[in-house]
Amino acid sequence: GAVVSQHPSWVICKSGTSVKIECRSLDFQATTMFWYRQFPKQSLMLMATSNEGSKATYEQGVEKDKFLINHASLTLSTLTVTSAHPEDSSFYICSARVPGEFYEQYFGPGTRLTVT
Amino acid sequence: GQNIDQPTEMTATEGAIVQINCTYQTSGFNGLFWYQQHAGEAPTFLSYNVLDGLEEKGRFSSFLSRSKGYSYLLLKELQMKDSASYLCAVLDSNYQLIWGAGTKLIIKP
Repeated sequence: GAVVSQHPSWVICKSGTSVKIECRSLDFQATTMFWYRQFPKQSLMLMATSNEGSKATYEQGVEKDKFLINHASLTLSTLTVTSAHPEDSSFYICSARVPGEFYEQYFGPGTRLTVT
Repeated sequence: GQNIDQPTEMTATEGAIVQINCTYQTSGFNGLFWYQQHAGEAPTFLSYNVLDGLEEKGRFSSFLSRSKGYSYLLLKELQMKDSASYLCAVLDSNYQLIWGAGTKLIIKP
């Protein structure tokens, strides 16, 4: 089956610093990847849709200058949280869609970000 | 607007059966998913329904009624490991997943 990895699985950073999270599709080429954020006891919130070779599409209320998304290759998308603040502490999950399959997303294991 | 409703929390007994309901109002419909999510982990796929009716997969079954905007996930022979959150999600007309808030299922011995 389609496998998606994320790195790192958890990260602690100081307020004001930037953190990069990688999302990789291991056994397929993903033209579309999605970035979600999940706060404790809440459901997934879509942050942005990342398309290979083009700019990401951000959901309303998500600051594109703060959450930088780069989908430079068919197997890698990165999310950079710039100038992180404690309120950015959350569980970040990426997912990828297999080309031609419009209905299923394959999720990475998630990245737990804690900003101190 | 788009809306998906499911109960916040349910409790059931090991070995029993539990039904988790989901109602939705979305702009377009290209299928409904159920995912299982254990605390601190990413969601894992359980089922996908795009036509009306019941889909059975082992101990888990999922039902869909498009005319009623309604689905349920049925879990049989509950095991302690089934304690998790169950997320209902609808694929809308733009093939974007719209997520419910999830139902936390607590299994008691």
